[in-house]
Amino acid sequence: GAVVSQHPSRVICKSGTSVKIECRSLDFQATTMFWYRQFPKQSLMLMATSNEGSKATYEQGVEKDKFLINHASLTLSTLTVTSAHPEDSSFYICSASRPERAFFGPGTRLTVL
Amino acid sequence: GESVGLHLPTLSVQEGDNSIINCAYSNSASDYFIWYKQESGKGPQFIIDIRSNMDKRQGQRVTVLLNKTVKHLSLQIAATQPGDSAVYFCAEESGGTSYGKLTFGQGTILTVHP
Repeated sequence: GAVVSQHPSRVICKSGTSVKIECRSLDFQATTMFWYRQFPKQSLMLMATSNEGSKATYEQGVEKDKFLINHASLTLSTLTVTSAHPEDSSFYICSASRPERAFFGPGTRLTVL
Repeated sequence: GESVGLHLPTLSVQEGDNSIINCAYSNSASDYFIWYKQESGKGPQFIIDIRSNMDKRQGQRVTVLLNKTVKHLSLQIAATQPGDSAVYFCAEESGGTSYGKLTFGQGTILTVHP
């Protein structure tokens, strides 16, 4: 099946720093990728839709200036958490869509100290 | 819509029993539904899907039932095994311009006792 990877798998950073998370579709091209956030014991919440070659579309309540998304190629989308704070600590998961369905990455655990 | 749950429903079963996990969805325009299994610290793993023109679909040891009248989805796992222990999420997609964009249910924690 299709494979989606994320890097890093986990990251710890200091408050106020920025962190970049990569999402790659390894064996297919994806014009659209999605970024989700999952807090402990909660469901996945869609943050934004990443569109190759154009601006991302953010869900209501998600700060676009804080969560920068770049989809520079058909196999790579990046999410940058700028000026991270402890409340941004979460599990970030991306997905990439093929015609048959969406494929999810393994997630990135972000801890902000 | 968004789905947030601070206290996930739980289901405990004995190994070998059948499990039924339920999900209520919110958008009557949704036309595609998926069940995912998520183990601790991992991304969602696809289990089975169903489109709105069907009311039942079977896979290996799993069956999904869709009742559009009451906007209800269920996942049946036959002969549940300890390896089935995980959190199970339903997800819905409304299609069209929302292709690939999923709204997740709150999830159910399944614990299988040997």
